[in-house]
Formats: sequence, structure tokens, C-alpha cells
Amino acid sequence: EIVLTQSPGTLSLSPGERATLSCRASQSVSSSSLAWYQQKPGQAPRLVIYGASSRATGIPDRFSGSGSGTDFTLTISRLEPEDFAVYYCQQYGSSLTFGGGTEVESK
Amino acid sequence: QVQLVESGGGLVKPGGSLRLSCAASGFTFSDYYLSWIRQAPGKGLEWVSYISSSGSTIYYADSVKGRFSISRDNAKNSLFLQMNSLRAGDTAVYYCARLRSKWELYVDYWGQGTLVTVSS
Repeated sequence: EIVLTQSPGTLSLSPGERATLSCRASQSVSSSSLAWYQQKPGQAPRLVIYGASSRATGIPDRFSGSGSGTDFTLTISRLEPEDFAVYYCQQYGSSLTFGGGTEVESK
Repeated sequence: QVQLVESGGGLVKPGGSLRLSCAASGFTFSDYYLSWIRQAPGKGLEWVSYISSSGSTIYYADSVKGRFSISRDNAKNSLFLQMNSLRAGDTAVYYCARLRSKWELYVDYWGQGTLVTVSS
């Protein structure tokens, strides 16, 4: 099973700042089969990125995904108040696994 | 628009059983893989099970294998999760989720979830 490790656990930033979230896989993720989800308190997760770098429908262009192999990154170029949430990565190249999440909190 | 509505959650004693349902609308149900994903209180996301569009391919997480059973009724646009021998560790919000395709098993739509509490 591919284990996904997300870091940092918590990111404390101010609106307007850049957020860089990491997702590292224990083995190479085939075909860049990696997705990112955003979850706010009391809500279901929402798809943000799929295929490592493709934005889902309705996701603003301040969100971008990059990476391949074992190292992937979600970047939010300028944080808006509605971006403060928990973000999960998920790989679907070999079985299915989620990372443990990164909380982006307002400083 | 795509809608997934879960039902059937509640309080159950350890060792008991519960059957979750997910009613789908807004898309051609029989074309899609579907999944159950859970989230324990204050914790992260965990795959429970998924089922192919025809029902011929099924996956279970090791943590539920032999205790949970996923099924679907394409005529009624419904997904089910039969949960037996429930344990305290099964306490979680259970989400019904649509997977993008057979080759892209990420979730493009989520239900709002139903809470299952296993406690004496």
C-alpha cells in the first residue's frame, strides 16, 4: 500500500500570503494519479486538483498542483479568507489512499 | 445537478449491524464507480469500499474486510453498505462518493455524510 505523508501538519498564514503544501508518497505514484481535496468544518470534502495538476471545475486559478513520482505540491498563490481549511491528498495509481491532511489556519 | 444523499446512520451497540443507503440523482448512475469513505471524529479520511459500475469489481479496506458489504441497485440509483460486527473504531461520518471513472478513481462528488456511532 502506498502511504502518503503530508506536511506540515498545520500551516499558519495570513490572507494574501502564499501557501505551499507537501504530499510525499512511500512509492512512486503512477501516471501522476494524485488528487487534492479541501474540507471545511462540518462539510464534505471538495475536489480541488486531479491528475496532480489539473484544477477541478470551479476552482480558482490561485490553486495549482505540481509534482510527479513521490513528491507532490499544492500551492495557493494568495490566500483568500475562504481558503482556510484542511487539505488532503489522495493517490489512485495503486489502490487508494489518503494523506493525513494539512490544516491551513489563519494567523 | 449531481446529488448523493446518505441515510441509515445512527447509534448502534458494539457487535451490532447497520445498513447505509445512498440515493443518487442528476447523472447516469449505472455509468459510474461509487465508494464509501469515512471520517472518524476529528480525524482524516479513510477509504472503506468501492464498487464498479456493474458491481462486478469490489474493493474493501483491510479494516472492514469480512464485516462490511457494498452493493448497488442500478435500477433504483442506490448504493448500500451493510455493516456487521460493528466496533467502536467504526464510529465515523460515512460519505457516499462518486468516482470519476474506472481509470481515475478520485472523487468528483461527495454526499453530505451520515454519522454512525458505535457505543454501548
